[in-house]
Amino acid sequence: QSALTQEASVSGAVGQKVTLSCNGNSNNIGSYTVGWYQQISHGAPKTVMFGDYLPPGIPDRFSGSQSGTTASLTISGLHPEDEADYYCSTWDYSLSAWVFGGGTKLTVV
Amino acid sequence: VQLVESGGGLIQPGGSLRLSCAASGLAVSRNYMSWVRQAAGKGLEWVSVLNSADKIYYADSVKGRFTISRDNSKNTLYLQMNNVRAEDTAIYYCASLVNGVAFDYWGQGTPVTVSS
Repeated sequence: QSALTQEASVSGAVGQKVTLSCNGNSNNIGSYTVGWYQQISHGAPKTVMFGDYLPPGIPDRFSGSQSGTTASLTISGLHPEDEADYYCSTWDYSLSAWVFGGGTKLTVV
Repeated sequence: VQLVESGGGLIQPGGSLRLSCAASGLAVSRNYMSWVRQAAGKGLEWVSVLNSADKIYYADSVKGRFTISRDNSKNTLYLQMNNVRAEDTAIYYCASLVNGVAFDYWGQGTPVTVSS
């Protein structure tokens, strides 16, 4: 059972806006920046967002936010190549460990 | 930045293996560096982190069996895996963390299979 909770699956049409959520508690999301990681077809993870910072090379249709013990990743205007598994992660000071969510499978229809 | 893992393979339960992560474009000595693994069909699981001040943390699942270290002269991160178990079977990724805040660069991974 993951310390962070994500939707198992989300789907959206090309061009649609979707929001993925990541729920934690005061020991993790409530205290630390959340990172978001994209994994396409079980390849190597790729960082797409942390906090509200967009890494170089990541399209600006990706955006991130955090409020309280919840973090969100929004993709505004889905592209077919956005279809992937997305994981959230942050530090948990009560566990002294990095924790990941179980991942959300995003399907672009 | 490039992180290249090596050292994975097939190993029997109870055996030992050392994974390496050769870095270029960043200094392992000045960055938080971590290992993350993924079993087939499963999600990402954090394994260990070593920060620039030599502070080390391990996941409970590997504590006492795995050791993270680095060789600054070779700019390489290591994961010594001892007394391995079937549940250690996974692809092992090396990753750097930006200011200890979040993972930023990832390697391509090296597969480890624990089986008799």
